Amino acid sequence: DAKTTQPPSMDCAEGRAANLPCNHSTISGNEYVYWYRQIHSQGPQYIIHGLKNNETNEMASLIITEDRKSSTLILPHATLRDTAVYYCIVRDDMRFGAGTRLTVKP
Amino acid sequence: GAGVSQSPRYKVAKRGQDVALRCDPISGHVSLFWYQQALGQGPEFLTYFQNEAQLDKSGLPSDRFFAERPEGSVSTLKIQRTQQEDSAVYLCASSLEGAGLGNTIYFGEGSWLTVV
Repeated sequence: DAKTTQPPSMDCAEGRAANLPCNHSTISGNEYVYWYRQIHSQGPQYIIHGLKNNETNEMASLIITEDRKSSTLILPHATLRDTAVYYCIVRDDMRFGAGTRLTVKP
Repeated sequence: GAGVSQSPRYKVAKRGQDVALRCDPISGHVSLFWYQQALGQGPEFLTYFQNEAQLDKSGLPSDRFFAERPEGSVSTLKIQRTQQEDSAVYLCASSLEGAGLGNTIYFGEGSWLTVV
């Protein structure tokens, strides 16, 4: 079984921030957290990853709690093209859960 | 190449037929992963290679599934005597170095297998 748990679905209004949570309470001290998304019929697309510190790139921000037991992916200004299934995975485990189906609505 | 390349992109096999799916990882990538994704489900881990060594094959669903990476680059996933439940997308991923080092893992577009 995957080391991560995520809500099955979320909605977000276009232009608003989308905050996607992930629990990884059994993560070990040297395991990275990775986020991917998958749009129908395509391979998973890398978004961002982090270990302890918060991370930001051109796609998203990643907030990791101090105890590292959970994280949040933030899409600051969601667009309709961000509609996808979002997965968080723990690096050494590399098992995917069911992910969160994000629907961005106009 | 620029990314992880998988072939064939689409394969229709008759039940009982053997199939071979190829993955060309990004040049120089040490780690290689195979996943199986059924329709509407998340990717299920199958196996992991570090160079030519198959370090984890715990996800292979049966002894009909076999993966190899003999020279530490191209990998082949072979499915013998295919069954209808093998119908899925088979995803390959690679990363520059071994597990746990924080390197980006890149996925291919997958090989879509339909067993009829």
